[in-house]
Amino acid sequence: RKEVEQDPGPFNVPEGATVAFNCTYSNSASQSFFWYRQDCRKEPKLLMSVYSSGNEDGRFTAQLNRASQYISLLIRDSKLSDSATYLCVVNYGQNFVFGPGTRLSVLP
Amino acid sequence: GAVVSQHPSRVICKSGTSVKIECRSLDFQATTMFWYRQFPKQSLMLMATSNEGSKATYEQGVEKDKFLINHASLTLSTLTVTSAHPEDSSFYICSARVRAENTEAFFGQGTRLTVV
Repeated sequence: RKEVEQDPGPFNVPEGATVAFNCTYSNSASQSFFWYRQDCRKEPKLLMSVYSSGNEDGRFTAQLNRASQYISLLIRDSKLSDSATYLCVVNYGQNFVFGPGTRLSVLP
Repeated sequence: GAVVSQHPSRVICKSGTSVKIECRSLDFQATTMFWYRQFPKQSLMLMATSNEGSKATYEQGVEKDKFLINHASLTLSTLTVTSAHPEDSSFYICSARVRAENTEAFFGQGTRLTVV
C-alpha cells in the first residue's frame, strides 16, 4: 500500500462547481498535513496546511480525520484558474511524502 | 513565504557529461533539503534527503554514485547528475524546510534536464 493515496482523477468540472478531493495516508505517526497545487511544468506551491480542527481559506476548506487517516480538500465556486494538480502531502519527522496528485480541469 | 532558488531552470547536456543543480534557501536556514524527480504526468518522487554537514539519505533505487548530493551549508545544497544518460532527462526539484519540524516545505523553481 502506498504511503499517501489520492483520488486518481482527472476531475473535469464546470466553472462554479464544488469539487472535493480525498487523500488517505498509512502512517499513523504522521504529524502534519498539507495541500499543495502544482501547475504544469512548475514547482508545487503550498495551498494550505491542514489542521485537526479543519480550516478554511476563502473558497478552500481542508479537513483532517486522524482516526480514519483521511484528509480532504473542498473547493467551492471553482474558477478556471483553479485548474492544476492538487497534491496531498503528509509529514512525519523530516519525511515529507507526496501523494500522486489529482488533476483538476475547470471548464468554461 | 520563504524563498528557495534553484538554478539552472533548464539545461541540455550531452550523454556522458555531468550536470550540477544548485538549490539555495535565500531568507532562511534549511537544515534539511529534499531532492525530487518528476517524469511527465507523474508525481514527484523523492530521490534523497540532504542534511547539512552529513551524508544524504537516498531512497531505494536511487544510485548515490550517480546522483551526488552535497549540503555544505545551511543555505545551499547541490545535486550533480554524473555521466548523464537520456533516461535521466526529467524535472528535478529541490525543497527546503526551516529548522522546525511540522512546517511546510518550500520549493525551488525546478530544473528541466534534457540529455541528448
